[in-house]
Amino acid sequence: AQSVSQHNHHVILSEAASLELGCNYSYGGTVNLFWYVQYPGQHLQLLLKYFSGDPLVKGIKGFEAEFIKSKFSFNLRKPSVQWSDTAEYFCAVTLSGGSYIPTFGRGTSLIVHP
Amino acid sequence: DAGVIQSPRHEVTEMGQEVTLRCKPISGHDYLFWYRQTMMRGLELLIYFNNNVPIDDSGMPEDRFSAKMPNASFSTLKIQPSEPRDSAVYFCASSPDRVRGANVLTFGAGSRLTVL
Repeated sequence: AQSVSQHNHHVILSEAASLELGCNYSYGGTVNLFWYVQYPGQHLQLLLKYFSGDPLVKGIKGFEAEFIKSKFSFNLRKPSVQWSDTAEYFCAVTLSGGSYIPTFGRGTSLIVHP
Repeated sequence: DAGVIQSPRHEVTEMGQEVTLRCKPISGHDYLFWYRQTMMRGLELLIYFNNNVPIDDSGMPEDRFSAKMPNASFSTLKIQPSEPRDSAVYFCASSPDRVRGANVLTFGAGSRLTVL
């Protein structure tokens, strides 16, 4: 079965710092990749997704993610974080040709100090 | 569209009591999912439905948990009897027919369950 690993469980940054959250998956086939964000007290929302094409995907609020097939990775980046980015971030993967049901990582808690 | 609607938002109950969580998916979405979120285990898929039919319930922890979807606009997740270890946030999510081969989920606000 496929699995999704998010290596950073907790990240603490100051405003304006750069962010990179790691996500690796274990499957060699064609995948679809997602990042969801959960702001404090709220539900999960889609941040960005990759299906095919340009491996650098732009999302909302200045976030981007890069799909590196050779590394089975889909890391989330933002050049300059804001206090309002404090949230939990979840990476998810679905398998083309499989059940299409997303498998989620454990999540990374990001705290941004003003 | 009002999005995925869940009720109740918060539920506090005593061990042994029956708990029913409710979900109204987005109209026109063919898939409905129930997830449980805890600090220890993260986000776990409990069960999902396609066109009101349960497809995979392998994530349901035990027989105390059951889920139904009597029609396209309503689903319930029931825990009977409830136990303290069931305390968690339960999310319902729905998605339309696959978009380019993937399910893009819209989540509800969640139901926070506390079993004393």
